[in-house]
Amino acid sequence: QKEVEQNSGPLSVPEGAIASLNCTYSDRGSQSFFWYRQYSGKSPELIMSIYSNGDKEDGRFTAQLNKASQYVSLLIRDSQPSDSATYLCAVIGDGGATNKLIFGTGTLLAVQP
Amino acid sequence: DAGVIQSPRHEVTEMGQEVTLRCKPISGHDYLFWYRQTMMRGLELLIYFNNNVPIDDSGMPEDRFSAKMPNASFSTLKIQPSEPRDSAVYFCASSSDGRSYNEQFFGPGTRLTVL
Repeated sequence: QKEVEQNSGPLSVPEGAIASLNCTYSDRGSQSFFWYRQYSGKSPELIMSIYSNGDKEDGRFTAQLNKASQYVSLLIRDSQPSDSATYLCAVIGDGGATNKLIFGTGTLLAVQP
Repeated sequence: DAGVIQSPRHEVTEMGQEVTLRCKPISGHDYLFWYRQTMMRGLELLIYFNNNVPIDDSGMPEDRFSAKMPNASFSTLKIQPSEPRDSAVYFCASSSDGRSYNEQFFGPGTRLTVL
């Protein structure tokens, strides 16, 4: 079992719709969770972090965390073509004892104009 | 701040040659990470340093890979000898402290092609 799993996609949504990206992780001791956005040919860019169960909102982005289910998601409201990118879920591994980020393989999001 | 700086941005070399990738972290950041990204394996952590000291190199694929951080503003990742399977994008990232929820900032990457 991979430590961090994501559906590779592509996830295609129409402009203005809500995009829902999902991620599961295997280490129950993980405490810190991140969403990175990576445009083609560019480096990963941090867009959201979440550390407690529940929702965290930042503009059009909402991160959701459920530690009991070992599940973290990212919602993008009012999706725009500029949101088209690969979204990487990342988890601090080793039960949070270190700074090691474990990445999923990413979900490709395509927002159709 | 200029962000994390990496050089070169692109490197094409022949099998068996030595390759050296360079990274300058964000000033004041005391953690530095080297990652490799391929289509097949995604983004993998190779090694990371804290205050110039290697903390975890368990991701380094084999003895052909080595990394150093001689001071707080410079790190190198060396591959000797290089092989075609080393072709990937290599990213350097830095973060500002040791708390587990710290955020990492990535450099632009070095695209390595080994022929």
